[in-house]
Amino acid sequence: DGGITQSPKYLFRKEGQNVTLSCEQNLNHDAMYWYRQDPGQGLRLIYYSQIVNDFQKGDIAEGYSVSREKKESFPLTVTSAQKNPTAFYLCASTRQGVGNEKLFFGSGTQLSVL
Amino acid sequence: GQNIDQPTEMTATEGAIVQINCTYQTSGFNGLFWYQQHAGEAPTFLSYNVLDGLEEKGRFSSFLSRSKGYSYLLLKELQMKDSASYLCAVRPGGAGSYQLTFGKGTKLSVIP
Repeated sequence: DGGITQSPKYLFRKEGQNVTLSCEQNLNHDAMYWYRQDPGQGLRLIYYSQIVNDFQKGDIAEGYSVSREKKESFPLTVTSAQKNPTAFYLCASTRQGVGNEKLFFGSGTQLSVL
Repeated sequence: GQNIDQPTEMTATEGAIVQINCTYQTSGFNGLFWYQQHAGEAPTFLSYNVLDGLEEKGRFSSFLSRSKGYSYLLLKELQMKDSASYLCAVRPGGAGSYQLTFGKGTKLSVIP
């Protein structure tokens, strides 16, 4: 079955540590996104990529980094510069070409600070 | 800038009808989406509107008025499993731009 796989489901970060969240899709979608969700808050865009080897900052990119070396993969690194990393992270993808293309989401990664 | 407003919480009775409103002010408009999200899970797509009017899909309907920057999601014959957060999202548009801007979500509690 096609879909988006995020791993791990739960992740713990120590002070000063970088951690990487995995996102893989087999939907053959060109565009991929990372959103952050805090309790009682909407989804906020961190980074997005519309094509391999290219990505753009979203609204809250500071303290995060991404890469897009393969169409299927869009990993997110939460760096030590992100001082408040505890949140639910969602990866999404979509086809491109028409405006009604919906986002497909992965099951999310809950990141907590030890 | 982008601003999307929806009520924080709503409560409704099983079997009843509930309407969740969403107002938006965005720099552009290329469609409005509604998603359902159960706690700790991924959002799932419910509906898409780009033209004014009502879109019906089973127990769920969504309405859009572009001139008023307004949409609503209507849920009929409420079931306990409809207890979830409902997210309103706008695609502001622009050349090659497909990302969505989300509201904070409305947490719906369905009670017996």
